Amino acid sequence: TQLLEQSPQFLSIQEGENLTVYCNSSSVFSSLQWYRQEPGEGPVLLVTVVTGGEVKKLKRLTFQFGDARKDSSLHITAAQPGDTGLYLCAGGKGSGNTPLVFGKGTRLSVIA
Amino acid sequence: GAVVSQHPSRVICKSGTSVKIECRSLDFQATTMFWYRQFPKQSLMLMATSNEGSKATYEQGVEKDKFLINHASLTLSTLTVTSAHPEDSSFYICSARDSGKVFDYGYTFGSGTRLTVV
Repeated sequence: TQLLEQSPQFLSIQEGENLTVYCNSSSVFSSLQWYRQEPGEGPVLLVTVVTGGEVKKLKRLTFQFGDARKDSSLHITAAQPGDTGLYLCAGGKGSGNTPLVFGKGTRLSVIA
Repeated sequence: GAVVSQHPSRVICKSGTSVKIECRSLDFQATTMFWYRQFPKQSLMLMATSNEGSKATYEQGVEKDKFLINHASLTLSTLTVTSAHPEDSSFYICSARDSGKVFDYGYTFGSGTRLTVV
């Protein structure tokens, strides 16, 4: 059972366009993390959101955690070729040492 | 920031042999580490949770006798793929969280190990 539904799975856009990636669940998470992964590398943490309704910005990236802590979104403004990669959302169920639940990922390709 | 070192980054082995992958937390202690497997163009699939000083917890469908996990210290967990077969070829990734930080929810990942069984 996939607890985190991530969409879209694939996205190919032109440089300068905006995009939004969604991560949805019927479950409540204590935290929601977004990672970016390059080919042949491990995921790198972009942001963690823990409060319902929280919005965090990281340069051109805006992350939002839903009020009910069941969903999250990642919005990229004016995408650049360097944004190309696999974006993964992951939900945490506890504050301690519990494994993350990963979405299936969004493979983004930004064409110059 | 927290760093997790994973070695080797790539390994090619013959079918039937065993391969050990190490995962070290360099500047923090981790009572728990996690091992994932990732197939091409897919997301991470949790294989097992490694607990320092006790037995690992395996996910359903993961053979514990094939994927041996040892977490002998607060900074080192190892995954041994025993009697490897070509279908075990995959990208293996470990992750850990600083046990000393209560409100830090971020997990640090190793750089992964590309295993190819020939």
